[in-house]
Amino acid sequence: DGGITQSPKYLFRKEGQNVTLSCEQNLNHDAMYWYRQDPGQGLRLIYYSQIVNDFQKGDIAEGYSVSREKKESFPLTVTSAQKNPTAFYLCASSIETLGETQYFGPGTRLLVL
Amino acid sequence: GENVEQHPSTLSVQEGDSAVIKCTYSDSASNYFPWYKQELGKRPQLIIDIRSNVGEKKDQRIAVTLNKTAKHFSLHITETQPEDSAVYFCAGYTGTASKLTFGTGTRLQVTL
Repeated sequence: DGGITQSPKYLFRKEGQNVTLSCEQNLNHDAMYWYRQDPGQGLRLIYYSQIVNDFQKGDIAEGYSVSREKKESFPLTVTSAQKNPTAFYLCASSIETLGETQYFGPGTRLLVL
Repeated sequence: GENVEQHPSTLSVQEGDSAVIKCTYSDSASNYFPWYKQELGKRPQLIIDIRSNVGEKKDQRIAVTLNKTAKHFSLHITETQPEDSAVYFCAGYTGTASKLTFGTGTRLQVTL
């Protein structure tokens, strides 16, 4: 899991602002995932991508957008439509054919000013 | 879709005792069940996993058991140590949906 990086570690968002969280992996994994973690709750899937230029909505996609232009990169944009964005955001990746075993990045904590 | 329930939400044990965390799942098509350990402010780390064709798996002080008929699986930690203190998450993977569904986590505290 050392091959997955996320930046920044902390991010502050103002009202009405879109912000983008970075996720990069050098593990040559095909699949990448974005999760949101709130206190006392498990990880909830926002979006996932199994191949470049393709991605699917997860369970809580509203207010978020993603792109997958390169295999190693899967950025997440938190749009102004997401009214409660304060959370810990985790990116993960897996070998597509063994998509169940996922390895996580260090996370980005998003706070609203 | 898949629903994974995890109990208890908090667990306190004395050092050297055993700890057991239980999860149930709803989708009979789920075939892979990983367990993650997450220390405060850190990333979840995979500690052990089990596939649906296996009933039990051990790795030193940790073990996982799976009962497919009852749709539940459990994490067992023996001889607990203070460094075992963390939040533990179970998850179930459904191939048809190609995604993991996580439980809500168990905060384990090992006291001296």
